[in-house]
Amino acid sequence: TQLLEQSPQFLSIQEGENLTVYCNSSSVFSSLQWYRQEPGEGPVLLVTVVTGGEVKKLKRLTFQFGDARKDSSLHITAAQPGDTGLYLCAGGGGGKLIFGQGTELSVKP
Amino acid sequence: GAVVSQHPSWVICKSGTSVKIECRSLDFQATTMFWYRQFPKQSLMLMATSNEGSKATYEQGVEKDKFLINHASLTLSTLTVTSAHPEDSSFYICSARGHSTEGGETQYFGPGTRLLVL
Repeated sequence: TQLLEQSPQFLSIQEGENLTVYCNSSSVFSSLQWYRQEPGEGPVLLVTVVTGGEVKKLKRLTFQFGDARKDSSLHITAAQPGDTGLYLCAGGGGGKLIFGQGTELSVKP
Repeated sequence: GAVVSQHPSWVICKSGTSVKIECRSLDFQATTMFWYRQFPKQSLMLMATSNEGSKATYEQGVEKDKFLINHASLTLSTLTVTSAHPEDSSFYICSARGHSTEGGETQYFGPGTRLLVL
């Protein structure tokens, strides 16, 4: 069974701080997605990584896919209150998405 | 592109009634859609995979007679919660499988439906 371990599960920081969220597995994934979800809404796709070792940047967000395609990280620079939300990593497997437990991020002004 | 809608966005019903939730892919065809359930501050739990023109595939522990799924067209899947009870109250989210602009497959999610059973 493929599992994705996401950490930390909760993170509360001050505006301007940096943070990193990790997504780890013992299984190889053909692709990995990162989503952001706000309360009462569906997840919104942030990025898809497909190549081992690749790094993608989305403004202040930097996404890395591990060389072995078993892990990924999301780094946010100078976090802002608008970054508050639930961040989910998800790996493709057998046509279904395997989700991590999620990271609840709170950025205080 | 890749917009998925859900209707209704929220519903309140009495215990014992049935509730139908629609999931539509607005600008692409989706042969496969997925239904998830989410509890507060938790991740998404896959309930079933909905395949156009065939029976849905349910995850272990999900009652297929309780959660009826119909995928009659390439743009519409419906989830019917039959004889709803308070413990069925949750946030239900659908997604449609599509192709990411970055390569590979991905899922595009609907905005979710909040169900409250009294």
